Amino acid sequence: DSGVTQTPKHLITATGQRVTLRCSPRSGDLSVYWYQQSLDQGLQFLIQYYNGEERAKGNILERFSAQQFPDLHSELNLSSLELGDSALYFCASSAGQGDSYEQYFGPGTRLTVT
Amino acid sequence: AQSVAQPEDQVNVAEGNPLTVKCTYSVSGNPYLFWYVQYPNRGLQFLLKYITGDNLVKGSYGFEAEFKKSQTSFHLKKPSALVSDSALYFCAVRDKTGGYNKLIFGAGTRLAVHP
Repeated sequence: DSGVTQTPKHLITATGQRVTLRCSPRSGDLSVYWYQQSLDQGLQFLIQYYNGEERAKGNILERFSAQQFPDLHSELNLSSLELGDSALYFCASSAGQGDSYEQYFGPGTRLTVT
Repeated sequence: AQSVAQPEDQVNVAEGNPLTVKCTYSVSGNPYLFWYVQYPNRGLQFLLKYITGDNLVKGSYGFEAEFKKSQTSFHLKKPSALVSDSALYFCAVRDKTGGYNKLIFGAGTRLAVHP
C-alpha cells in the first residue's frame, strides 16, 4: 500500500458528461501528479501540483482541469467526456518537487465512457 | 526532449533463471532514472532509482539496475526470477523542463515468468 488513495475505483458514465476524480496524497507529501494510462497512449503525465499551486503541465486536454486544496488532496475534473477518455487515471505524490523524490502511485480510477 | 525506450514488449523467463528488462534513455544533462512495476489492477510501485553515485543500484524485491552512461542504458535485472515477478515494468526518466519534477515513462515491458 503506497499510502495514496483514489476514489472512486471505477466510474462508468456517458459521453458528454462530467466527472470528478479524487486523490489523497501520502501523509506529508506536498506534490500531487496526475497520469492517464490507456492502451494506445501508454502512461501519460497530465499535470502536477505542489502545495496548492500548479507546477507542470503535460498532455492535458482543455476539457480537463485539476486543483489541489489546502488539505493537499487533489481533484481531476473531466468534462464533455468522449469515448477516447476511457482510461485508467492515476494520482501520485512525492515529498517535494526536487529531483530525487520518487513518486508513489495510488491504485487508480478506471473510467469507462459509453 | 527527455525520453526512454523499452525495446521489448514482452520478456519471457523460466523461474529461477536470471532476468533482464531493457531500458535506454535520451536526456540532456545528468539522467535521473527510475523503475516501476505494475501488477494487474494495481497502481505503479516504485522499485529503484539512479540519481548519482554507484552505477549498480539495488531496489525492492531483489531487483537491481545498472546505469551505463556510455550505452545510455539502465537495464533492470534480477539473478533468479520468481513467478510472482510477472508484471508490467516501466522505466522512467525525470524531465526537468521548466525546472519541475515530472516523469516520462517508457511504453512498458511485460515480464512473464514461467514455472
